[in-house]
Amino acid sequence: QVQLVQSGAEVKKPGASVKVSCKTSGYAFTSFDINWVRQATGQGLEWMGWMNPNLGNTDYAQKFQGRVTFTMNTSLNTAYMYLSNLRSEDTAVYYCAKSAVDTFDYWGQGTLVTVSS
Amino acid sequence: SYELTQPPSVSVSPGQTASITCSGDKLGDKYVSWYQQKPGQSPVMVIYQDAQRPSGIPERFSGSNSGNTATLTISGTQAMDEADYYCQAWDSRTWVFGGGTKLTVL
Repeated sequence: QVQLVQSGAEVKKPGASVKVSCKTSGYAFTSFDINWVRQATGQGLEWMGWMNPNLGNTDYAQKFQGRVTFTMNTSLNTAYMYLSNLRSEDTAVYYCAKSAVDTFDYWGQGTLVTVSS
Repeated sequence: SYELTQPPSVSVSPGQTASITCSGDKLGDKYVSWYQQKPGQSPVMVIYQDAQRPSGIPERFSGSNSGNTATLTISGTQAMDEADYYCQAWDSRTWVFGGGTKLTVL
């Protein structure tokens, strides 16, 4: 069965960086895009961008350009989200989600990133 | 930037039909997905391509999309359907989510 398992919670200071991993299984990793979505406490879903594991190309939401980087390790079937220059407003649960045709069909369990001095 | 607008909350009695709307400019020209999110859990896709239901999602969930409005309909609503619901569409190389609707079953 398809699974996306994310790394554990992180606590970071303002100005620091964080890297969240998303280990996939149960499907061909390079055949489907991986998206990253975040959700602040009590707020809605916010799309951050996507990565194509086959070609390695990425596209980032305008809000995050310059601060976010998506990478992957195809031998581990794992995607990574790197967010730099963290501020308190970045405190949120970060999700990876597998693309299907016109939708996101599987989601990771989420990773809480807390930014606090 | 493109915006999707949902009502913040919808209430329904058990066994009745709940309708949650999602509005956006010419939304009917785009495919819409709907996600259900219960407290402390990840979102689950319940409708894709406007009206398609993935395997494992009960038949009481249905969707439509025309003009500027997409609608998620839950027939015979059950207590377990109480959750936040988000619509989603693709526009100008960006995935956009609606603000979410809290469905209360009472």
